[in-house]
Amino acid sequence: SYVLTQPPSVSVAPGKTARITCGGNNIGSKSVHWYQQKPGQAPVLVIYYDSDRPSGIPERFSGSNSGNTATLTISRVEAGDEADYYCQVWDSSSDHQVFGGGTKLTVL
Amino acid sequence: EVQLVESGGGLVKPGGSLRLSCAASGFTFSSYSMNWVRQAPGKGLEWVSSISSSSSYIYYADSVKGRFTISRDNAKNSLYLQMNSLRAEDTAVYYCARGQTTVTTHFDYWGQGTLVTVSS
Repeated sequence: SYVLTQPPSVSVAPGKTARITCGGNNIGSKSVHWYQQKPGQAPVLVIYYDSDRPSGIPERFSGSNSGNTATLTISRVEAGDEADYYCQVWDSSSDHQVFGGGTKLTVL
Repeated sequence: EVQLVESGGGLVKPGGSLRLSCAASGFTFSSYSMNWVRQAPGKGLEWVSSISSSSSYIYYADSVKGRFTISRDNAKNSLYLQMNSLRAEDTAVYYCARGQTTVTTHFDYWGQGTLVTVSS
């Protein structure tokens, strides 16, 4: 089955740029979606189709996808961005949705 | 406003059954695929099952296939998950999430979840 690999944690100072990676075999050929989840809350879609932002998501959130790595980039990080972030793809080989293990973003 | 409200969670003994429901409002339910995603305590998100808008396409995670059944009633704007032969490892918050016109893409709205605890 298809596996998505995320770093367990990423730390960044306020105002800096955070990059959260999602690794998978030839992930560049798939559409990657990203979710933000704050403690005790449901996940929120922040990026879909690699780089599209839903309405209401700040422009500070962006995404890219190429080769074996997709990346969620958060510019000018704020304290309110502290959360768990998950990547997700559809694996057509198994007809399964697949989530990465999640990355905890800590704002220092 | 899109709303998804899950219900039916609770405490059940191993081997028991439970039926979750998700009441949808604020959008044309019959036009969208729907999904169940769960999250065990302190763990990450795990996809459980997806169903297309007309129920023509249904998919399950390997961990629940043969034990769980997803269904929907477009007349009632409702999504269901029948869970049988429950195990301790099924303990999780279960989220209902809206897909798109195709099953194979992202989830743009999520409910607040319902907790299922499997314990003797």
